[in-house]
Amino acid sequence: GAVVSQHPSWVICKSGTSVKIECRSLDFQATTMFWYRQFPKQSLMLMATSNEGSKATYEQGVEKDKFLINHASLTLSTLTVTSAHPEDSSFYICSASHGGASTEAFFGQGTRLTVV
Amino acid sequence: GENVEQHPSTLSVQEGDSAVIKCTYSDSASNYFPWYKQELGKGPQLIIDIRSNVGEKKDQRIAVTLNKTAKHFSLHITETQPEDSAVYFCAAPPSPPGNTGKLIFGQGTTLQVKP
Repeated sequence: GAVVSQHPSWVICKSGTSVKIECRSLDFQATTMFWYRQFPKQSLMLMATSNEGSKATYEQGVEKDKFLINHASLTLSTLTVTSAHPEDSSFYICSASHGGASTEAFFGQGTRLTVV
Repeated sequence: GENVEQHPSTLSVQEGDSAVIKCTYSDSASNYFPWYKQELGKGPQLIIDIRSNVGEKKDQRIAVTLNKTAKHFSLHITETQPEDSAVYFCAAPPSPPGNTGKLIFGQGTTLQVKP
C-alpha cells in the first residue's frame, strides 16, 4: 500500500503564533508532495507543490511567506503557517505520489487548524 | 488550465438504490480521472480511477465511465448502503500536465443514503 501520514490531526493556536504541520510518506519515497486547503463544505484547493531539495511552487494567490513549505527528505514535507490569524483556520491536507509514470495521489488524514 | 465541474452538489437516495455523480473536464489531453470519498474530518480516500485508454472500470459496487468525446466521466454506486454516505470528489490533472499526482478537484457531491 501507500500510506501518507499527517501530524498533528488537529491543532489550536493563538493569533500571531506559527504552526507546523508534518506530512510523511510511510512506505514509499515521494519526490513531490502537495498541500491543499479545504474550507467547510468546500472542495480541496491546491496551495503548493513541495519538491524535495528545492523550493516549493505556489499556486496563484497563495502567500509563500505565510505558508512556508520545506521538503527536506524524500519522506517528509512540512507546512508552517506563520503569524496565524483566525482566517487561516481551515483543514489542511497533504498528498504524495510515487512519481514517474504514476499519477495516483495518496492523501494524508488532514490537519484541522483553529486559530483563536 | 483544467476546469472540473461536478454535479449534483447533493444527492439523497434510498438504501439499495443506485447513485450517479457526473463530472466534466475541459482539457482534452487529460488522461487520468480519479474519484475520492471523504468522510467528515478525514482526508480523501481514492475509491476508483480510470485512465483515458478505457471507457469503463468496475470494482464491486462502484464503477466509473469515461466519455472522452464529451469530456465527462461518471461515478456509479449500485446497491447503496448507509456507509456510502460521504462527500465524493472527482479530479483530473491540471493543464498542462505537471508533476504527477497534482490534481484539480471538482466541487464535491454530498451523498446521503437513507436507511
